[in-house]
Amino acid sequence: LAKTTQPISMDSYEGQEVNITCSHNNIATNDYITWYQQFPSQGPRFIIQGYKTKVTNEVASLFIPADRKSSTLSLPRVSLSDTAVYYCLVGDIIGTGGFKTIFGAGTRLFVKA
Amino acid sequence: DSGVTQTPKHLITATGQRVTLRCSPRSGDLSVYWYQQSLDQGLQFLIQYYNGEERAKGNILERFSAQQFPDLHSELNLSSLELGDSALYFCASSYSSGRSNEKLFFGSGTQLSVL
Repeated sequence: LAKTTQPISMDSYEGQEVNITCSHNNIATNDYITWYQQFPSQGPRFIIQGYKTKVTNEVASLFIPADRKSSTLSLPRVSLSDTAVYYCLVGDIIGTGGFKTIFGAGTRLFVKA
Repeated sequence: DSGVTQTPKHLITATGQRVTLRCSPRSGDLSVYWYQQSLDQGLQFLIQYYNGEERAKGNILERFSAQQFPDLHSELNLSSLELGDSALYFCASSYSSGRSNEKLFFGSGTQLSVL
């Protein structure tokens, strides 16, 4: 099972770029890396997913180095509404064909005015 | 709106009681996942079902059980409730199972308060 490690919390100011790094040293060959965002009292929401190199969508970018032992979520020009918990997920495919999804503690991002 | 429906939104009960939480997945999704999130805690994976069959199990207590019905909705049964079971319970769904690039869609949760 690929355990993930992220910083517990980060602070930023509006308009800045925020980079959150996740370590997943024992990621398996076939594992994808997926990031979710969670606001208080709401279910997590999919942000971005990648396997290697760089992925970009309208919300964020995801950078994955060649060894894939870490990944960095980049949020450009954050606003107050980006204050949330961000989870890095590397799912574990198990023998029954199941998807054991172990979310770590996540990173609490606090954006200040 | 993720398309995943959870009912009820809030549930207040007493210790020792039994409750049932219900989840309807997104249209077309075959997998359902259950999670527990206590105050200031991360998401704890409980169990996954795919097309009616249990496929993955997390740290689910023996007092908890779940099932997925032929119409693909799922129920999480919590019995002999304790104060520590008070938490937000989330359901998520995905199209398939056994693929690392599954995207999970979460419901808005059921807030359980055990008094």
